[in-house]
Amino acid sequence: GQQLNQSPQSMFIQEGEDVSMNCTSSSIFNTWLWYKQDPGEGPVLLIALYKAGELTSNGRLTAQFGITRKDSFLNISASIPSDVGIYFCGTSYGKLTFGQGTILTVHP
Amino acid sequence: EAQVTQNPRYLITVTGKKLTVTCSQNMNHEYMSWYRQDPGLGLRQIYYSMNVEVTDKGDVPEGYKVSRKEKRNFPLILESPSPNQTSLYFCASSFLRLGNTEAFFGQGTRLTVV
Repeated sequence: GQQLNQSPQSMFIQEGEDVSMNCTSSSIFNTWLWYKQDPGEGPVLLIALYKAGELTSNGRLTAQFGITRKDSFLNISASIPSDVGIYFCGTSYGKLTFGQGTILTVHP
Repeated sequence: EAQVTQNPRYLITVTGKKLTVTCSQNMNHEYMSWYRQDPGLGLRQIYYSMNVEVTDKGDVPEGYKVSRKEKRNFPLILESPSPNQTSLYFCASSFLRLGNTEAFFGQGTRLTVV
């Protein structure tokens, strides 16, 4: 199936630090989606990107749709303990596919 | 309230005993999909459906069946569950319109097969 390579697999950071994660693919996409999954819950949409080069913010979160349309990144600024969770990138090309996820741990 | 509802949330069953996990959405979405989540493997797609009576295999379809008789419902059927199907399952739905394909997820079903 279609593969999205998400990195890093996990991150351990101190509260207040900035976080960056990315997703790449060998294929071109029209959509990049970023989700967060809290423990025991289903993933929830954070940011949706539909245009190459698009940079979108949602509070302390910023995501960009790569100009080549083969990648996307998500930044979290000034992390707080409730940012803990698993972050997934996803794309839609008729069917929705997701990366392996980035597990984020924030130490107070 | 717009939502995707899965039932049950938790299920323990024995090998070989047929089971169905239900999924229902109230947003009139064309697209519905099932994923399983295992540690370190992310969300792997089992089956998806682009509309009523249209279903396709995802990346890990073996041992599963689905049906899409109505737009709002997309049940996942395990005819003869085995222990390797112990996992956390998610149903998701979305529109299929360019510029509007954000998926909404259910709360998950944790299945244990003993």
